Amino acid sequence: GAGVSQTPSNKVTEKGKYVELRCDPISGHTALYWYRQSLGQGPEFLIYFQGTGAADDSGLPNDRFFAVRPEGSVSTLKIQRTERGDSAVYLCASSRDGPSGNTIYFGEGSWLTVV
Amino acid sequence: AQSVTQPDIHITVSEGASLELRCNYSYGATPYLFWYVQSPGQGLQLLLKYFSGDTLVQGIKGFEAEFKRSQSSFNLRKPSVHWSDAAEYFCAVGGYNAGNMLTFGGGTRLMVKP
Repeated sequence: GAGVSQTPSNKVTEKGKYVELRCDPISGHTALYWYRQSLGQGPEFLIYFQGTGAADDSGLPNDRFFAVRPEGSVSTLKIQRTERGDSAVYLCASSRDGPSGNTIYFGEGSWLTVV
Repeated sequence: AQSVTQPDIHITVSEGASLELRCNYSYGATPYLFWYVQSPGQGLQLLLKYFSGDTLVQGIKGFEAEFKRSQSSFNLRKPSVHWSDAAEYFCAVGGYNAGNMLTFGGGTRLMVKP
């Protein structure tokens, strides 16, 4: 597609529920990233995929968060047992190869609200 | 660890006035530097980037930024601000030694007075 596409754009869920957020990167981009942006703050790195594998998941806050990219294109971020503190905008991004020296393009984000 | 500081949380300028948004970074090697803009409810749009070479880089929408290694700064400038420039601006640092992440500053919210 023309840009990074994320669905849903908005999600309201109850505390304790399970949530999936989907990202469709720019066609041909092998690198995919997830960031989280809390209100009034800059985005924070969560995880980076190169192809199908998670090359760096050091930013995932705890084991309730998990992401997959089974075919090297679309990725899903999964959050189990959601907590109110998980409320944030979850941004997906992609780049042609790895991040060093390559421009990273961001989607519009999935706004998650946990009530 | 790398870090980015944007000292100004809010800035208000009059339409037509010049603009400078400050960005200071900490990084152990040659950095890659970026400015992104985010309008309400929108994703991040890349304004400009510095990888190497000329330290004055030109971006979209009439923005430019200057990399000053001695000051660890990458300030964003625009000679004449338009009302449509009102948004949140984020500076970010990455690089070969950064692993796989961009580190963002906390952002500067720009308001434009008519």
